[in-house]
Amino acid sequence: GENVEQHPSTLSVQEGDSAVIKCTYSDSASNYFPWYKQELGKRPQLIIDIRSNVGEKKDQRIAVTLNKTAKHFSLHITETQPEDSAVYFCAASPNTNAGKSTFGDGTTLTVKP
Amino acid sequence: EPEVTQTPSHQVTQMGQEVILRCVPISNHLYFYWYRQILGQKVEFLVSFYNNEISEKSEIFDDQFSVERPDGSNFTLKIRSTKLEDSAMYFCASSENHDQETQYFGPGTRLLVL
Repeated sequence: GENVEQHPSTLSVQEGDSAVIKCTYSDSASNYFPWYKQELGKRPQLIIDIRSNVGEKKDQRIAVTLNKTAKHFSLHITETQPEDSAVYFCAASPNTNAGKSTFGDGTTLTVKP
Repeated sequence: EPEVTQTPSHQVTQMGQEVILRCVPISNHLYFYWYRQILGQKVEFLVSFYNNEISEKSEIFDDQFSVERPDGSNFTLKIRSTKLEDSAMYFCASSENHDQETQYFGPGTRLLVL
């Protein structure tokens, strides 16, 4: 089955700096890669996703890059703000009817004002 | 904006008891999922459901678990004989179709087994 590894487990940055979180996956059949933000006690919320026919996607301060050959994808947050502080999860999903997602272990991002 | 809803928000039960967690997916969605998250850990896939049957299940989803869509709106997860290690947050999610895999999560049910 799929195995997703996520690094780092914790990340602390100063407000205004950039944050980068990296994930690797093992199953070459995976072709959908969502990123979720989870605040304490809340549901995971999709912040950006990328499909395997695209190498990079950007939405304002958030971008995701995908390298299918190397089986890794990264989340980039620029101009970080204190409200970006949360746990971020990457996930990988195959293109099947089931849409099963395998999640990484999560990265706790702290943005210091 | 439509959202996935779940009830109850919290459930406390005794070990060995049966619990039913309820979800109302977004109305035009066809694919439904249950995930669990043990406190401080990652989200883990349990089961996916489409066209009134299980599409895929993980090794966590053993014989004590079952899912059902009893009517046109509800999607339930039943745990037949709860164990201490079943204590977790259980999230329901739904997606519109398999060509659009974006999953929308409910707020979760926090289950505590004593």
